[in-house]
Amino acid sequence: QVQLVESGGGVVQPGGSLRLSCAASGFTFTSYGMHWVRQAPGKGLEWVAFIRYDESTKSYADSVKGRFTISRDNSKNMLFLQMSSLRAEDTAVYYCVKDGSRSSGSLDSWGQGTLVTVSS
Amino acid sequence: EIVLTQSPDFQSVTPKEKVTITCRASQSISSSLHWYQQKPDQSPKLLIKYASQSFSGVPSRFSGSGSGTDFTLIINSLEAEDAATYYCHQSSSLPYTFGQGTKLEIK
Repeated sequence: QVQLVESGGGVVQPGGSLRLSCAASGFTFTSYGMHWVRQAPGKGLEWVAFIRYDESTKSYADSVKGRFTISRDNSKNMLFLQMSSLRAEDTAVYYCVKDGSRSSGSLDSWGQGTLVTVSS
Repeated sequence: EIVLTQSPDFQSVTPKEKVTITCRASQSISSSLHWYQQKPDQSPKLLIKYASQSFSGVPSRFSGSGSGTDFTLIINSLEAEDAATYYCHQSSSLPYTFGQGTKLEIK
């Protein structure tokens, strides 16, 4: 079955950087688009970033554009999110999410999430 | 940006009741609308994709309908385990967006 395991969360000071990782297994990673979705404490879901199966397209929410970079290593079945210039409002649980297609459609499998706290 | 507005924000319901949650898009998104269930302290799970297609393993009491700007999630014969927050999500155009969520409480 599909497994998505995030890591790399933690406490970071405002202005700092952090790199999230997601190890994927149980499906053909090279055939599917991948997303990062976040959820601030007690709040709703916010889409953050998307990468196509072949890395030909990367897209970002306006709130993170220019600060976050999504990437993937198809040889290792890994998804990444490099976060820089972090702000208090970036505090959230970050989910690694598998798309149901090569491009972008439904989000059919979610990891357990990793908590990022931006605080001094 | 396409705004998705769900209603209601909160609903308290009794078991075996029929529940209807709506999601309205600020512009037409064809059928690129998906529904998720999130139980407390759990990750979201896909229920319905492309407005009306049930995702594998989802109980048959969950169904979806709609196209264009108006969509509906229906839960027939509600069970206690359906206590959760439900979100709609559009994949029609960037940036992808979610509705604000509908919290379902079981009386």
